[in-house]
Amino acid sequence: EIVLTQSPGTLSLSPGERATLSCRASQSVSSTYLAWYQQKPGQAPRLLIYGASSRATGIPDRFSGSGSGTDFTLTISRLEPEDFAVYCCQQYGSSPFTFGQGTKLEIK
Amino acid sequence: QVQLVESGGGVVQPGRSLRLSCAASGFTFSSYGMHWVRQAPGKGLEWVAVISYDGSNKYYGDSVKGRFTISRDNSKNTLYLQMNSLRAEDTAVYYCAKADKVLMVYASCFDYWGQGTLVTVSS
Repeated sequence: EIVLTQSPGTLSLSPGERATLSCRASQSVSSTYLAWYQQKPGQAPRLLIYGASSRATGIPDRFSGSGSGTDFTLTISRLEPEDFAVYCCQQYGSSPFTFGQGTKLEIK
Repeated sequence: QVQLVESGGGVVQPGRSLRLSCAASGFTFSSYGMHWVRQAPGKGLEWVAVISYDGSNKYYGDSVKGRFTISRDNSKNTLYLQMNSLRAEDTAVYYCAKADKVLMVYASCFDYWGQGTLVTVSS
C-alpha cells in the first residue's frame, strides 16, 4: 500500500498570498497518477488536479500541480476567499487507491 | 450534467447489514468504473471499493474485504454497496465517485462525486 503524507497539517495564510502544499508518497507513484481534491465543510470532494499537473475542467489557473516519483506539490498562486478549504492528495495508479490525510488551508 | 445521488444510509446496530445505492445520470454509466469512498466524522477520505464498467472486476480496501460487496446494475444506472457485519468503525459518510476514464479502473482518477450518505453504526 502506498502511504501519502501531506504537509503541513494546517496552513494559515491571507487572501492574495501564495500557498504551497506538499504530498509525499512512501513509494513511487506510477506514471504520475496523482490527484488533488478540494473539500469544503459539508461538501463532497472536488477534483482539482490529475496526472500530477493537469487541471480538471473548470478549475482556475491559479491552481497548479507539480512533481513526480514520490514528491508532489499543489500551488495556489494568489489565494481567493473561496480557496480556504481542506486539500487532499490521492494516488490512483495501484490498489488500494490511497488518500493523504489532508491539509487544512485556513484564513490567517 | 453528471449527477450521483447516494441513498440508504441510516443508523444500524453493530453486526447488522445495510445496502447503499448510488443513482447515476448524465453520462453513459455502463462505460465507467465506479468507486465507493468513505469519510469518518472529522477524518480524511478512505477508499472502500471499486467495480469495473461491466462488473467483472471488483477490488476492496483491507478494512472492508470479506464484509462489503460492491455491485452495479447497468440497466438501472445504479451502483450498490452491500455492507455486512457492520462495526462502529464503519461509521462514516459514504460517497460514490465516478472514474474519469472510459473502461478503466486503474489510472483513472475520480472526477465526479455524489453528496454522500451517512451511515452510523451504534447500539
